[in-house]
Amino acid sequence: QKEVEQNSGPLSVPEGAIASLNCTYSDRGSQSFFWYRQYSGKSPELIMFIYSNGDKEDGRFTAQLNKASQYVSLLIRDSQPSDSATYLCAVNPGANSKLTFGKGITLSVRP
Amino acid sequence: NAGVTQTPKFQVLKTGQSMTLQCAQDMNHNSMYWYRQDPGMGLRLIYYSASEGTTDKGEVPNGYNVSRLNKREFSLRLESAAPSQTSVYFCASSETGIYGYTFGSGTRLTVV
Repeated sequence: QKEVEQNSGPLSVPEGAIASLNCTYSDRGSQSFFWYRQYSGKSPELIMFIYSNGDKEDGRFTAQLNKASQYVSLLIRDSQPSDSATYLCAVNPGANSKLTFGKGITLSVRP
Repeated sequence: NAGVTQTPKFQVLKTGQSMTLQCAQDMNHNSMYWYRQDPGMGLRLIYYSASEGTTDKGEVPNGYNVSRLNKREFSLRLESAAPSQTSVYFCASSETGIYGYTFGSGTRLTVV
């Protein structure tokens, strides 16, 4: 069974710090990787996706992918209280396959 | 530019009642999905439709049925609601999974 595991939370960081969210996956053939942000009572919102090994930066967010080690991470620099949410990792094993989601990790940024 | 629209947003049912959750997307996506989200369980796939005219079971299909009415619309039906179906239901769509999904705003369903 294809699995996506996210490190246990909740995670609490002070405002301005770097938040590091990690995710491992079991299907070595997985091709695309996503990070969703979900505020309490709201729907998941896609914030980052990555397909190739290495880093991908978008503003304060950096997604990192290491296919050999089967992990993907999300770094949030200069964390803000507005970043407080649950972050879901999702993995697509193939072009026509369905996403497999992790259970999410809740991030709290302390003012 | 609505994206994925779900109705209703909230619903309370009595055990044994039936209802249909509606979902429509205006992005011309081929694939559509129904998920439920429960505390500690994450998002679990109920049914999906890879393209118009096709539907397939996901991880937790028991107690549900779906209809892909056309390319835009994908409905989820509960024939005889049970308290175990109390959950938040999300519809999503995608062109192909490789680009990720767009989610609707969700339906919060309580079965008493």
